[in-house]
Amino acid sequence: QKEVEQDPGPLSVPEGAIVSLNCTYSNSAFQYFMWYRQYSRKGPELLMYTYSSGNKEDGRFTAQVDKSSKYISLFIRDSQPSDSATYLCAALGAGGYQKVTFGIGTKLQVIP
Amino acid sequence: DTAVSQTPKYLVTQMGNDKSIKCEQNLGHDTMYWYKQDSKKFLKIMFSYNNKELIINETVPNRFSPKSPDKAHLNLHINSLELGDSAVYFCASSRLTADNEQFFGPGTRLTVL
Repeated sequence: QKEVEQDPGPLSVPEGAIVSLNCTYSNSAFQYFMWYRQYSRKGPELLMYTYSSGNKEDGRFTAQVDKSSKYISLFIRDSQPSDSATYLCAALGAGGYQKVTFGIGTKLQVIP
Repeated sequence: DTAVSQTPKYLVTQMGNDKSIKCEQNLGHDTMYWYKQDSKKFLKIMFSYNNKELIINETVPNRFSPKSPDKAHLNLHINSLELGDSAVYFCASSRLTADNEQFFGPGTRLTVL
């Protein structure tokens, strides 16, 4: 079992839809949770990060973490064709030298 | 104003050859990483260096040898290339802070024939 599980998709939605992307994780030591966006043939770029449980909003993007159920979510409101990319969730433990563990990524296509 | 750069972008080579990939960051970060992204798009860490010292060394064949001449550079040398080494290799850098925000390079697409 991978430490961070994510449905690879692909997920196709019409422009303007609300998108929900989800991950589960198994390592209780994870404290930091991130979403990276990767456009085709590019490197991943950090979109959002949250510490422990809770919500974080940035424009059209909202990240949620529920540590009790080990569930990570990213919501995209009013999705745009430019949001078409692969979204990778990631998690990190606290303290010392920790490695970031990535999910496999969900490929999202927003259709105009 | 490139933040994390890698060379070459594409590398096509024969099995058994030795090749190197170079990485440089101009962000002033003290930690650098090499990741491998396979054909299924799974991104997996290989190595991490902090101030030229190896801090993460995942289960990687010893044909892969990272070298960090200074904290702005982290190169990856691969000996005796195999078909299974074909992948996209990403370099990344970060400050050694709790949230560990990593900045990725554009990737090097390695194809072993």
